[in-house]
Amino acid sequence: GNSVTQMEGPVTLSEEAFLTINCTYTATGYPSLFWYVQYPGEGLQLLLKATKADDKGSNKGFEATYRKETTSFHLEKGSVQVSDSAVYFCALGTSGSRLTFGEGTQLTVNP
Amino acid sequence: DAGITQSPRHKVTETGTPVTLRCHQTENHRYMYWYRQDPGHGLRLIHYSYGVKDTDKGEVSDGYSVSRSKTEDFLLTLESATSSQTSVYFCAISVGTGSPYEQYFGPGTRLTVT
Repeated sequence: GNSVTQMEGPVTLSEEAFLTINCTYTATGYPSLFWYVQYPGEGLQLLLKATKADDKGSNKGFEATYRKETTSFHLEKGSVQVSDSAVYFCALGTSGSRLTFGEGTQLTVNP
Repeated sequence: DAGITQSPRHKVTETGTPVTLRCHQTENHRYMYWYRQDPGHGLRLIHYSYGVKDTDKGEVSDGYSVSRSKTEDFLLTLESATSSQTSVYFCAISVGTGSPYEQYFGPGTRLTVT
């Protein structure tokens, strides 16, 4: 079956630090991959996506590259801000119009 | 903004009572979903719908039922609420043409079963 594994949190960084949140997956077929972000008290928002191998998704300074050889989709940002503090979810979609989510990684950025 | 609202936003209920949560969309998207969010589990799919009166089970459907009599509304019912159903419930819609995996979420309903 499909599954997503994210690095365990919480992650605490200082402002302007480099961020990596690891995500690996197991899937049948050729999945699309997503990162969602959830700010406190809100629903999830789509952050970025990649639909095929070697695609790079990017948005708001965040990037992730779809690596089929390592079944990974790691989220990176070169310089985090306090406003990036949130929970980040990796997800995959294959067939049947359904998404499979990872457990989420809590990020806290201190000034 | 995908025009998704959920009601109520917060609810406290007693064990054994029925509860219905409502998801409303304004843009006539075909696919709608109900998830629950619990610490350590991420989001788990309860039920989803691919059209009026067309629904299917997700991975944690036991104890839940759904109905979709209009395109814009997707109802989630807990027939007899239990404490294990205390959770935050999110509705989502799919907006991608040919890519139903790109989902957009409502603000959530926090349900507490005492």
